[in-house]
Amino acid sequence: DAKTTQPPSMDCAEGRAANLPCNHSTISGNEYVYWYRQIHSQGPQYIIHGLKNNETNEMASLIITEDRKSSTLILPHATLRDTAVYYCIVRVYSSASKIIFGSGTRLSIRP
Amino acid sequence: DSGVTQTPKHLITATGQRVTLRCSPRSGDLSVYWYQQSLDQGLQFLIQYYNGEERAKGNILERFSAQQFPDLHSELNLSSLELGDSALYFCASSPQVGQGMNTEAFFGQGTRLTVV
Repeated sequence: DAKTTQPPSMDCAEGRAANLPCNHSTISGNEYVYWYRQIHSQGPQYIIHGLKNNETNEMASLIITEDRKSSTLILPHATLRDTAVYYCIVRVYSSASKIIFGSGTRLSIRP
Repeated sequence: DSGVTQTPKHLITATGQRVTLRCSPRSGDLSVYWYQQSLDQGLQFLIQYYNGEERAKGNILERFSAQQFPDLHSELNLSSLELGDSALYFCASSPQVGQGMNTEAFFGQGTRLTVV
């Protein structure tokens, strides 16, 4: 499994865009980038995933560099409820593949 | 509500005892994953089952075991419990590729185990 590197913590002002980076320089061609978040000891929540194109859903946008070695999760208008640990994961697009969490980024939203 | 049900929500037991944690995946999901999260620690992958078969193993102790039953629910058995086994235990499930669904995992709300 490819490893990911994320900053341990970040903060962002409420209402501003939160940009969370992730480095995955050893990603394989068949591996997708997934993002999850965990709000204070709750079960992790899926946010978004992508292969090589940028993706957007109702929660966030995912920007993947052309060489696929890094990506950025964008929360367009951060709120206090977005305070959480965000995990970037790379895995094969298969429900049979395991999901390994790294240490993630603790995002704090300040009022 | 993710659709993944874990029982019990809380469990307090003594050292040396054995407990069973139960996970009911979302309807039709074939994959079940188990994770351990100690206080202020990350999510440690324990084990994954896919359609009744063990698919992948992580840092699971020999004192721990799991299985997935024909109805796809799963149980995690923890024996000879130690104080250090106190943690949140999460179960997740994901759908099968090819059913028009993404392969993201849906997590339960966890079982908080306290060993005293």
